[in-house]
Amino acid sequence: GAVVSQHPSRVICKSGTSVKIECRSLDFQATTMFWYRQFPKQSLMLMATSNEGSKATYEQGVEKDKFLINHASLTLSTLTVTSAHPEDSSFYICSARDSARLGYTFGSGTRLTVV
Amino acid sequence: GQQLNQSPQSMFIQEGEDVSMNCTSSSIFNTWLWYKQDPGEGPVLLIALYKAGELTSNGRLTAQFGITRKDSFLNISASIPSDVGIYFCAGQLRTNAGKSTFGDGTTLTVKP
Repeated sequence: GAVVSQHPSRVICKSGTSVKIECRSLDFQATTMFWYRQFPKQSLMLMATSNEGSKATYEQGVEKDKFLINHASLTLSTLTVTSAHPEDSSFYICSARDSARLGYTFGSGTRLTVV
Repeated sequence: GQQLNQSPQSMFIQEGEDVSMNCTSSSIFNTWLWYKQDPGEGPVLLIALYKAGELTSNGRLTAQFGITRKDSFLNISASIPSDVGIYFCAGQLRTNAGKSTFGDGTTLTVKP
């Protein structure tokens, strides 16, 4: 139980295009999901909190117009990287909490490469 | 914001040896979590600690929530090759809507 599916696992896009990443809770409902970013050999940095039915809460320094988050249902949150640039290349990971379980479950991550 | 200091940064050990890593913070947390991350994957929860002084085991793994609520350690006994990976500690504040602050990770290499 408590499976979080993230898609795609890898994506390569051209500079200036937009990329959408999906995060789904497969066997539980999640009113809150979190989006993290991880650079090679570094820790996870929280980008934003995704709230079902309301606006996402962004961490300081994260551009909300560049990283669009939509949490339209209790099982799906999406992160869209708009007008991507090479410096946006990173590993993006979502997490969600099943209220019946301890801790948070992470998706398997999305490796974004902008060329 | 809160920061976690995780040490050591990396460890190279022989199979069968015990491992210990820890995290410290300048401020308190209500919850300490320990995760393992394999290359190209998301972190997987190993142990969650919710009470100061709590000592919890999960197989060969043991973790403790420090009495001061500002630190936690993770021990791995009798390491095996599949223990290889990056281990992260994470702290949560009850008042912070479930957000986790992560340590910088400990990279573990186990030599057969």
